[in-house]
Amino acid sequence: AQKITQTQPGMFVQEKEAVTLDCTYDTSDPSYGLFWYKQPSSGEMIFLIYQGSYDQQNATEGRYSLNFQKARKSANLVISASQLGDSAMYFCAMSGMDSSYKLIFGSGTRLLVRP
Amino acid sequence: DTGVSQNPRHKITKRGQNVTFRCDPISEHNRLYWYRQTLGQGPEFLTYFQNEAQLEKSRLLSDRFSAERPKGSFSTLEIQRTEQGDSAMYLCASSFGQGALRPQHFGDGTRLSIL
Repeated sequence: AQKITQTQPGMFVQEKEAVTLDCTYDTSDPSYGLFWYKQPSSGEMIFLIYQGSYDQQNATEGRYSLNFQKARKSANLVISASQLGDSAMYFCAMSGMDSSYKLIFGSGTRLLVRP
Repeated sequence: DTGVSQNPRHKITKRGQNVTFRCDPISEHNRLYWYRQTLGQGPEFLTYFQNEAQLEKSRLLSDRFSAERPKGSFSTLEIQRTEQGDSAMYLCASSFGQGALRPQHFGDGTRLSIL
């Protein structure tokens, strides 16, 4: 069975600094996708970035990058130059070979950006 | 290109009543997913459609729940005889094509409160 673990319930970061949100996963599928979503207090889930299990290079999307370490089964999200608007819940998720490609989510990390 | 739209945003109802939620996916997205999110947790998969066919249902989806996607466009999720435990955020997501690397795009969700 697939599982996502996010061990940081909450994180603080100073505005303009970088922060890393941890995510480890467990799967027996050879092919899978890893995703990060942001959920502000208003509730919507905003897609940020994804990484394929066969991708050789780490994914980047603007200020977001995904530090993918396949042997360690980790897919950490790095946010550079934090902004006040980055304060939100962040969820790591994965999909696998299951034909539904449904997402399995972790329990999330609440990030607070301090001015 | 408009995003995923969900209605209503909030629903408050008495225990035992029936409720229905609507989701309009991104046009041309053939896959549509329903998830449920309780406080402090990540979303959990409920069911998904490929076009008009409902292909998988989670064990979370009791027989009081029913979902439809007539003509492969919008979808509805109905809960009959609501219970306190049904209080949650119900999220709809859509994606295009097949594969573990297809990002799902979420709506703003419907927050259900059972009195």
